[in-house]
Amino acid sequence: QVQLQESGPGLVKPSETLSLTCTVSGASISSSTYYWGWIRQPPGKGLEWIGSVYYRGSTYYNPSLKSRVTISVDTSKNQFFLKLNSVTAADTAVYFCARGTMTTKHYWGQGTLITVSS
Amino acid sequence: QSVLTQPPSVSAAPGQKVTISCSGSSSNIGDNYVSWYQQLPGTAPKLLIYDNDKRPSGIPDRFSGSKSVTSATLGITGLQTGDEADYYCGTWDSSLRGGVFGGGTKLTVL
Repeated sequence: QVQLQESGPGLVKPSETLSLTCTVSGASISSSTYYWGWIRQPPGKGLEWIGSVYYRGSTYYNPSLKSRVTISVDTSKNQFFLKLNSVTAADTAVYFCARGTMTTKHYWGQGTLITVSS
Repeated sequence: QSVLTQPPSVSAAPGQKVTISCSGSSSNIGDNYVSWYQQLPGTAPKLLIYDNDKRPSGIPDRFSGSKSVTSATLGITGLQTGDEADYYCGTWDSSLRGGVFGGGTKLTVL
């Protein structure tokens, strides 16, 4: 059974870098079939796609976040990562990692709340 | 403002049927498969429908999906109180070169 688990700091100060890890179990991140992605949800609001990475390293980012986002993968650890620079209060959200295709997210992590505050 | 447009809320009585619409454009729904997700309060979204009308294993046939040109529809029959949740449509936008979601629809089972 495919499982994804996000991990991160919980609290990040404004202007700093948000760093999250998604650890995958029950599947190999090196699978050539799937993309691995990040989605976020501000409190009380809808879903926002952040970006996706293919195991070989090719990436796609939300144009509105592209200048601040980096998504990478470590196949040896079966993990992938999100870095979001220069965060503000508007980046406060529950961050989900997911596995899927370009159009579908089949499996989701439980999500982790990241609060941006001094 | 979301790229895909959904009604903010819908409601129906237990046992009845409800449909949720998702409107897009030629670069997203018109060019790619649509997926639907159910999000119960405090939980992660769960895949209900993929590739416009396919159900993952374990999703009851009370849930159905369809697509026509630049719009998609989620149908739920035999409504149960446990179906009360937020529902999101999603796809890929070929022009933006990114994933897009609808703003979400809150289903109330009266």
